[in-house]
Amino acid sequence: GAGVSQSPRYKVAKRGQDVALRCDPISGHVSLFWYQQALGQGPEFLTYFQNEAQLDKSGLPSDRFFAERPEGSVSTLKIQRTQQEDSAVYLCASSQQETQYFGPGTRLLVL
Amino acid sequence: DQQVKQNSPSLSVQEGRISILNCDYTNSMFDYFLWYKKYPAEGPTFLISISSIKDKNEDGRFTVFLNKSAKHLSLHIVPSQPGDSAVYFCAASDLTGNQFYFGTGTSLTVIP
Repeated sequence: GAGVSQSPRYKVAKRGQDVALRCDPISGHVSLFWYQQALGQGPEFLTYFQNEAQLDKSGLPSDRFFAERPEGSVSTLKIQRTQQEDSAVYLCASSQQETQYFGPGTRLLVL
Repeated sequence: DQQVKQNSPSLSVQEGRISILNCDYTNSMFDYFLWYKKYPAEGPTFLISISSIKDKNEDGRFTVFLNKSAKHLSLHIVPSQPGDSAVYFCAASDLTGNQFYFGTGTSLTVIP
């Protein structure tokens, strides 16, 4: 069956540009998570959805980061006015119970 | 503050021998623990998990051990194979399962 997909796989942005990263979770998975993984680090939690409700956004590093999942399926992570420190791999994961299944990630490079 | 720690950034093991990857955590509320394997340019892939009511879980060549009193878990791979070469992350969550905390990863190289 289809796993979690993310697009684009790679994104280069100029500092100050807005970017939008898409996540297609596994069909039927209620929970959806976004993580940020810097080079040489483990994934760090950004935000969590249960269906369309964003239950936890405590990991979002600033108000430039915004995530939505309006119909409880596809999710978009938007970063406004990108900064160089936003360069990282952004991972999306979905789950039905305890185990999270990850997408391949979007590698964002801000120049 | 890092709540899940993997203190060995890398490990090399001969093919056929045992690989032992270690993970320590600080939050006593963590209730569920997972190991993920990651190849370059791919997302982490779930490997094996354990809940706090157990001290051992086995799946083929992979066994996870949990020592709650020491706040320590380990992943044993026996026998190690070259295809096991990857970065391994441990992760932990509390009862809510709303947040997962990851370690920084251990890069395992299995030498043929």
